[in-house]
Amino acid sequence: AQTVTQSQPEMSVQEAETVTLSCTYDTSESDYYLFWYKQPPSRQMILVIRQEAYKQQNATENRFSVNFQKAAKSFSLKISDSQLGDAAMYFCAYRSDYKLSFGAGTTVTVRA
Amino acid sequence: ETGVTQTPRHLVMGMTNKKSLKCEQHLGHNAMYWYKQSAKKPLELMFVYNFKEQTENNSVPSRFSPECPNSSHLFLHLHTLQPEDSALYLCASSQGQVSPGANVLTFGAGSRLTVL
Repeated sequence: AQTVTQSQPEMSVQEAETVTLSCTYDTSESDYYLFWYKQPPSRQMILVIRQEAYKQQNATENRFSVNFQKAAKSFSLKISDSQLGDAAMYFCAYRSDYKLSFGAGTTVTVRA
Repeated sequence: ETGVTQTPRHLVMGMTNKKSLKCEQHLGHNAMYWYKQSAKKPLELMFVYNFKEQTENNSVPSRFSPECPNSSHLFLHLHTLQPEDSALYLCASSQGQVSPGANVLTFGAGSRLTVL
C-alpha cells in the first residue's frame, strides 16, 4: 500500500509571505500522479495543483508551485504571496492504479 | 457549488437508528467515491463505483452499505453505527475510473455525522 506523509500538522504564515508544506510518499511505482488539495472551513475539497511523475518540470498554478523530487519521493507545495483566503487544511495525495491516497493534512493559518 | 451535492450536511443519530447519506453529481462523471475523514487522520477511501459497479470496498464494516443506482447518485446507508464512526463523510466523483480524467476528483462538502 502507498503511504503519504505530511510531517507538519500546522503552519503559520504572515500575509504576503511564502510558506512551504512538506509531503513525502512511499511507492515502488514509476508512473503515478501527485496532488495537493485544499479544504477551507467550508469543507469543500478543492484541487490546487497536480504533477505527473513522468514530468520533470515542476507544476505551477499562479501563486502555487511544487518542488517534485522523484528520487527522494518528495512533493512539497510552496504558497507565495500568501493571502487570507489561503487559510485552510492542505492535503497531499498520491494516485496510482486508480487509487488515491491522502496524507493527514497540514493546517495553514495566515496572519494579517 | 462544485457540482457534487451531499445531503444532509449534518446528521446526528443514535446507535440503533437507520439513516442514509446522499450524494449527487451533475458533471457527467462515471466514477463515484465515499471517503471518511476523521480528525488528525488521512482520508480513508471506503467505496468506489465505476459505471454503477462497485470496484473497491476498502474493508469497510457491513454497518455501512453503499448503493449506486446510476452514475449520478450514490448513497451510504447507515445502521447500528458506533460512536467511533462519527466523522465527516465525503463524496467525490471523477471521469470513468480507467480514463486519464479519473485523476481529478471533484468533492462534495461532506456530511458531518455524529453517532451518540
